[in-house]
Amino acid sequence: AQSVTQLDSHVSVSEGTPVLLRCNYSSSYSPSLFWYVQHPNKGLQLLLKYTSAATLVKGINGFEAEFKKSETSFHLTKPSAHMSDAAEYFCVVSLYNQGGKLIFGQGTELSVKP
Amino acid sequence: DTGVSQDPRHKITKRGQNVTFRCDPISEHNRLYWYRQTLGQGPEFLTYFQNEAQLEKSRLLSDRFSAERPKGSFSTLEIQRTEQGDSAMYLCASSLSGAHSYEQYFGPGTRLTVT
Repeated sequence: AQSVTQLDSHVSVSEGTPVLLRCNYSSSYSPSLFWYVQHPNKGLQLLLKYTSAATLVKGINGFEAEFKKSETSFHLTKPSAHMSDAAEYFCVVSLYNQGGKLIFGQGTELSVKP
Repeated sequence: DTGVSQDPRHKITKRGQNVTFRCDPISEHNRLYWYRQTLGQGPEFLTYFQNEAQLEKSRLLSDRFSAERPKGSFSTLEIQRTEQGDSAMYLCASSLSGAHSYEQYFGPGTRLTVT
């Protein structure tokens, strides 16, 4: 069965320092993976996606993620955190053979300290 | 087109009442999905449509839940005889089919509170 596990429920960083949000996936075939962000009282916004092209994926707002098949990981990084990055982040796998429905991780809450 | 819209944004109802939510997808998208998100959790899949056909329903979708997508455009999600456990954010998303990335665009959600 396809699933994702977000290894940290909460991450706290200082403004200007790097961000690392960890995600491991389980899939019986080459997955499509996404990171979505959810700001308080706002809808889910797509940050970036991996669909078996380049393993290093660049997204919006300076975020990027690297697909590592050997480690079954898809960690999200950003070189320098900004206060506006504080939000809930979800790692997501798409089930290609089930109409593309999405399976979400439990989420990681990112806090950014001034 | 500005994206996926949902109505209402908030709904407070008493236990036992029926409620109906509406979702308007991005106009050229033929797939429409419903998800439910409870506090502190990631969204969970409920059901999806391709055009007007409902192709899959989650086990989470009890007999009190019904969804429709007449004419393959907007969709409605109805909950009959609401229970306190139905309190959640109901999210709608749309996408194109055939695009292998299956990128879904989400609406702002309808927050349901059952008292």
